[in-house]
Amino acid sequence: DADVTQTPRNRITKTGKRIMLECSQTKGHDRMYWYRQDPGLGLRLIYYSFDVKDINKGEISDGYSVSRQAQAKFSLSLESAIPNQTALYFCATSDSQVSNTEAFFGQGTRLTVV
Amino acid sequence: LAKTTQPISMDSYEGQEVNITCSHNNIATNDYITWYQQFPSQGPRFIIQGYKTKVTNEVASLFIPADRKSSTLSLPRVSLSDTAVYYCLVGAAPSNDYKLSFGAGTTVTVRA
Repeated sequence: DADVTQTPRNRITKTGKRIMLECSQTKGHDRMYWYRQDPGLGLRLIYYSFDVKDINKGEISDGYSVSRQAQAKFSLSLESAIPNQTALYFCATSDSQVSNTEAFFGQGTRLTVV
Repeated sequence: LAKTTQPISMDSYEGQEVNITCSHNNIATNDYITWYQQFPSQGPRFIIQGYKTKVTNEVASLFIPADRKSSTLSLPRVSLSDTAVYYCLVGAAPSNDYKLSFGAGTTVTVRA
C-alpha cells in the first residue's frame, strides 16, 4: 500500500459543482501539502499545513479550501469548480523532525472540470 | 525564499552523463539544496540533497561550489528511463516556515 494515498485518482465534474479531493498518509509526518500541476508547468503550491492546527495559503489558494481533519488526513475542496481548475493535483507530506526538504508525494488526482 | 534558475530542457543520449546546473545567487547561510525527479503523471521523488561540496548516492551526484551560488546535478550514464523533469529547490531544512516551492524544472529527454 502507498504511504501517501490520494482519492479519487481521476474525476470528471461539472462547472459549479463542489468537489473534495482527499489525501491520507501512513508515514506519521506532521506536514502536508497540496499542489496542482498544469501541462508543461511545474508544481504550484495551493495550501500547506505544518500540523493539525496550522493551515497556510500557498501561491494559488483562490477558489480552494482545505481541512486537516487529523494528522494523517488533509482534504482539498473546490467550492464551485471551474474549467481552469482542470489539472493534476498532488498531495505531499514531510517530517519536520527529519527534513523539511524531503517530501513524499501521492500518486496524483487528475481532475477535469467540464 | 531563494530563487532558483535552471534550464528549461536538455537532450541527451543513452550512456552519456547529464549535468544540470541550477543558479541560486541569493542562497542563505542555512539553506540546503535539494533535487527532485518527476516522471510523467507521477508525483516528484526526492533524489538528493546537499549543503556544500559533493554528495553522491546511488542515483546521482550533487556538486556545490564554495560560494554555493549554484549547484550541479550529475546523472551518470543515463538510460531512457531517466527521461523526466528535474527540479532544484533551495530552502532551510531546520526552518519552521519552510514550504516546498517548485519551479518549472528541467525536462531531460534521453534518446536511444
